[in-house]
Amino acid sequence: EVQLVESGGGLVQPGGSLRLSCAASGFTFSSHSINWVRQAPGKGLEWVSYISSSSSTIYYADSVKGRFTISRDNAKNSLYLQMNSLRAEDTAVYFCARGLTLLRYANLKYWGQGTLVTVSS
Amino acid sequence: DIQMTQSPSSLSASVGDRVTITCQASQDISDYLNWYQQKPGKAPKLLIYDASNLETGVPSRFSGSGSGTDFTFTISSLQPEDIATYYCQQYDNLPRALTFGGGTKVEIK
Repeated sequence: EVQLVESGGGLVQPGGSLRLSCAASGFTFSSHSINWVRQAPGKGLEWVSYISSSSSTIYYADSVKGRFTISRDNAKNSLYLQMNSLRAEDTAVYFCARGLTLLRYANLKYWGQGTLVTVSS
Repeated sequence: DIQMTQSPSSLSASVGDRVTITCQASQDISDYLNWYQQKPGKAPKLLIYDASNLETGVPSRFSGSGSGTDFTFTISSLQPEDIATYYCQQYDNLPRALTFGGGTKVEIK
């Protein structure tokens, strides 16, 4: 069974940093691209970042570019999101999400339960 | 960037009603469109991919259609368990930004 479990969320002050993790199991993690998607309280879904299976291709939403860094450790079956210079508008539940198949990486079939990041003084 | 305009933002319908949600892309995205269902406190669930393909295990009362810029999501007979927010999502410019519509909250009248 495919499982994605996020962790690392919490309360952080504006300007602070936080590192989210996503632990994967039930599939060959090293073969799959993964996305981070977030959802502000009471708002819609917003794609945040993408990383290919080998980390050779990475993309970010304009809203986080230059502040967030996506990475992965295929030996540990883990995905990360380093978030720096956090702003109040980064407050959201952060999900990691995997596609239907290796090629269908944008058809987001598998999601974690999410981890809440709150940026507030 | 491609923008996705979803409407309505909310709707109220009776059990058994046919429910239709539309999603319009700011440019031609072929059939690179997904539909998701999200219930409160839960992660989104993929219902439809490639505009019209029903994901495995999803009830057949859900369907999707369209191509290019205009897409439709339909629940043929609304059930109480369908109360949720539905989102469209385009993936035409992979692997760059995936864009979601603003969501449609479906409630029972």
